[in-house]
Amino acid sequence: SQQGEEDPQALSIQEGENATMNCSYKTSINNLQWYRQNSGRGLVHLILIRSNEREKHSGRLRVTLDTSKKSSSLLITASRAADTASYFCATENLGTSGSRLTFGEGTQLTVNP
Amino acid sequence: NAGVTQTPKFRVLKTGQSMTLLCAQDMNHEYMYWYRQDPGMGLRLIHYSVGEGTTAKGEVPDGYNVSRLKKQNFLLGLESAAPSQTSVYFCASARSNYGYTFGSGTRLTVV
Repeated sequence: SQQGEEDPQALSIQEGENATMNCSYKTSINNLQWYRQNSGRGLVHLILIRSNEREKHSGRLRVTLDTSKKSSSLLITASRAADTASYFCATENLGTSGSRLTFGEGTQLTVNP
Repeated sequence: NAGVTQTPKFRVLKTGQSMTLLCAQDMNHEYMYWYRQDPGMGLRLIHYSVGEGTTAKGEVPDGYNVSRLKKQNFLLGLESAAPSQTSVYFCASARSNYGYTFGSGTRLTVV
């Protein structure tokens, strides 16, 4: 079962616009991470936000975390054509067998030039 | 600094054949993982390891076995391949509470 669920499934915007993707999850987490995957490639880690943090920035990326609502959002500002990719949220849970990440199904972002 | 290296990158198997996928990392990470990704879906965890000599089952472990004899290597085995195992397989390594580093994937087709 998928822990994280992204919304929307697909998003198409014009270059220069902002893109917002949302993620909801079901159980308590240690942290939440966002990844990008270009077509046919591996996943690249973008940003990690810990369960005791509410907001984090990295360049044009802004991530928020609301643990009371079990949700997160990823904002990409001033988007570029090169931002076209699939974006996945993933939650890290610490169990008796160690750390493991559970991924959502992703948001396909298309940035049109 | 290679990061995470997966071999092979592509493979076609006949139903019933066996194979081993190799994952190697040079970052001295304790944790290693094998995921599979199917069209339109996120990644699903097959098996993982929290240290040399240890392995644990993930979400979809049936039909796969793993071994971690050395800290830097994590092997994924398919004993008797089935068409349902056609997928893209990703290996990752990590330290706890840090982002994962993924390999570039192995595209496996079982005919």
